[in-house]
Amino acid sequence: QSVLTQPPSASGAPGQRVAISCSGSSSNIGSNTVHWYQQLPGTAPKLLIYSNNQRPSGVPDRFSGSKSGTSASLAISGLQSEDEADYYCAAWDDSLNGYVFGTGTKVTVL
Amino acid sequence: QVQLQESGPGLVKPSETLSLTCSVSDGSISSKNYYWSWIRQPAGKGLEWIGRVYTSGSTNYNPSLKSRVTISVDTSKNLFSLKLNSVTAADTAVYYCARTLPSWGPFDPWGQGTLVTVSS
Repeated sequence: QSVLTQPPSASGAPGQRVAISCSGSSSNIGSNTVHWYQQLPGTAPKLLIYSNNQRPSGVPDRFSGSKSGTSASLAISGLQSEDEADYYCAAWDDSLNGYVFGTGTKVTVL
Repeated sequence: QVQLQESGPGLVKPSETLSLTCSVSDGSISSKNYYWSWIRQPAGKGLEWIGRVYTSGSTNYNPSLKSRVTISVDTSKNLFSLKLNSVTAADTAVYYCARTLPSWGPFDPWGQGTLVTVSS
């Protein structure tokens, strides 16, 4: 069951900026950090952003994350064709005592 | 760079037990304070966290699966395992293993995933 809500899709032309929202509650995003994953077609998810806004080594700075209250957001600037993928947010949930994922957002480059 | 690899039967009969292992290479499963998780993804659907085990053997499970799941660690073999009993077609999915540090931290890295189909 997905506890975090994301828009099912987002799109933009090459070079444009796309933002994906992730809405949760006080027991997950409101209390813990948010992580973002990119899943290219047919592959395992890959960590994209951790602890709200930190990029792992090797992730382009076109990707950025933010969090405010019980919501978080992933932004992709300078959209490229290789950014076509599914994106998931995730956070620890203190009430469930477990991880929860977002519903996922499919990004299409027009 | 630690690597994770899932293995196990690709086909399980309904009502039986799904058993998978995740082998950890290029690193010790006992090092630091890592947590080791199982995550699944039905075809065309989103990700679902199944549960995790700490190197001490303590576990946390998804409440929706808790009654059917057991996750354990074998430090001597540098692997951890998933058992899901009484499976149905709804348990058909790609199963991933992943590492977490600290306890609320991100999943990184992930294994490549293994498809398990529940069918007679």
